[in-house]
Amino acid sequence: GENVEQHPSTLSVQEGDSAVIKCTYSDSASNYFPWYKQELGKRPQLIIDIRSNVGEKKDQRIAVTLNKTAKHFSLHITETQPEDSAVYFCAAHSSASKIIFGSGTRLSIRP
Amino acid sequence: DTEVTQTPKHLVMGMTNKKSLKCEQHMGHRAMYWYKQKAKKPPELMFVYSYEKLSINESVPSRFSPECPNSSLLNLHLHALQPEDSALYLCASSPGQGMSEQYFGPGTRLTVT
Repeated sequence: GENVEQHPSTLSVQEGDSAVIKCTYSDSASNYFPWYKQELGKRPQLIIDIRSNVGEKKDQRIAVTLNKTAKHFSLHITETQPEDSAVYFCAAHSSASKIIFGSGTRLSIRP
Repeated sequence: DTEVTQTPKHLVMGMTNKKSLKCEQHMGHRAMYWYKQKAKKPPELMFVYSYEKLSINESVPSRFSPECPNSSLLNLHLHALQPEDSALYLCASSPGQGMSEQYFGPGTRLTVT
C-alpha cells in the first residue's frame, strides 16, 4: 500500500544549529504535505505546510521544500532553540480520506 | 473559537462496556476526522466526515462506530473493545475536504481492561 517514509527517527543538534528532517511518499496523487510538531502529552500542531504546486515555503526559522519528481519533501529548522525539542511528523494527503503520516522524528536540542 | 474540544480526557473501560467519545468544533469546518495514536507512533486515520458524509477506512473494526450528528459534533461509539485498542484517540477538523490544515483536539486517552 501507499506509505510515507520519514528519516531520521531521532535527531540531536546543538542549540543554534540547523535541523533537517526528510520524508518520501509513494502515492503520486499526493498534493498536500503538512508538518506537525507534537510535544509530550500534547496534540499535534501544524507548523508549516506545502501544496504540490509550490517548491518551497518559509516561515521565519522554518522552511519546507518539495521535490515532486523525486516524491520527497523536507523540513528545515534554523537557529534551533530548546523549545524546538519535540516529535515531528510529516504527512501526505492524496484525497479527503487518504492521509498518511510518517513515522516521526524525535528532535532533541542540546544546550 | 479556534479550538477542537474532546471529552472525556481519560477513559477506562472493560471489554464488555459501551462508551462514547465526543468531539466538538465551532470554526465552521466541514470536515472532521478520528485518528488513533499508539505510544511513540504516528496518528492513524480511522474515519473522515466530509460535509457530513462518511468515508470509511475499511481496516477499522466494526467495534468502532462513528456518528456525526451535525457539522460541529463528532462522536465515536465504542463497544466490545480489546486491550490492544488502548490508545490516544484524536479528533481533528479542517475547513475543506482534506487538502487543508487540520486542527487537532487534545485527545482522549483510552485504556481497555
